Amino acid sequence: AQTVTQSQPEMSVQEAETVTLSCTYDTSESDYYLFWYKQPPSRQMILVIRQEAYKQQNATENRFSVNFQKAAKSFSLKISDSQLGDAAMYFCALSGGSNYKLTFGKGTLLTVNP
Amino acid sequence: DGGITQSPKYLFRKEGQNVTLSCEQNLNHDAMYWYRQDPGQGLRLIYYSQIVNDFQKGDIAEGYSVSREKKESFPLTVTSAQKNPTAFYLCASRGGRNSGANVLTFGAGSRLTVL
Repeated sequence: AQTVTQSQPEMSVQEAETVTLSCTYDTSESDYYLFWYKQPPSRQMILVIRQEAYKQQNATENRFSVNFQKAAKSFSLKISDSQLGDAAMYFCALSGGSNYKLTFGKGTLLTVNP
Repeated sequence: DGGITQSPKYLFRKEGQNVTLSCEQNLNHDAMYWYRQDPGQGLRLIYYSQIVNDFQKGDIAEGYSVSREKKESFPLTVTSAQKNPTAFYLCASRGGRNSGANVLTFGAGSRLTVL
């Protein structure tokens, strides 16, 4: 079984500032992938960033970057220069095993204050 | 444009009625998934299918049924046996291993309310 834990139900950040969302996971698989998805008020799930577990280098997508600590099973998301449009629910997710089922955390609601 | 279409967007059901949620994709993806979202619960996997005419139960399959007769379609039936069906339902699909590091593409969702 695989589990994903997001310990911060809600976070807030000032516009233009930086915020870090936390995620820990557990899996017995050696080959797995980690993701951050964003769900704005429209409820459409949008991929923010992904990380292959075999890659040591942390993934980066523009203002979004991750801190992947494999030994600690930690996968945090850093949002730099926060914008009002970043306000959303953020889900950490893990995919592993032959069926590539995606297991989600319970989410972190991010508020961006002007 | 390629994508996933879920219908209807909103659905109301009386207790004791079965309802079917539609999910169609034109991405030529092999695998398809159904998730349920409740407030504070994240997304939970109901059923998934990796190939036509084959599907497996997820973590919360009781009270639900699916079929996969065509690659493009993966309808979900919420039966009267589902004790608390009011929720937001999301369909997703995934391409092969070499396409996008196993990224799931999601539909816009269907909101089911039991009256």
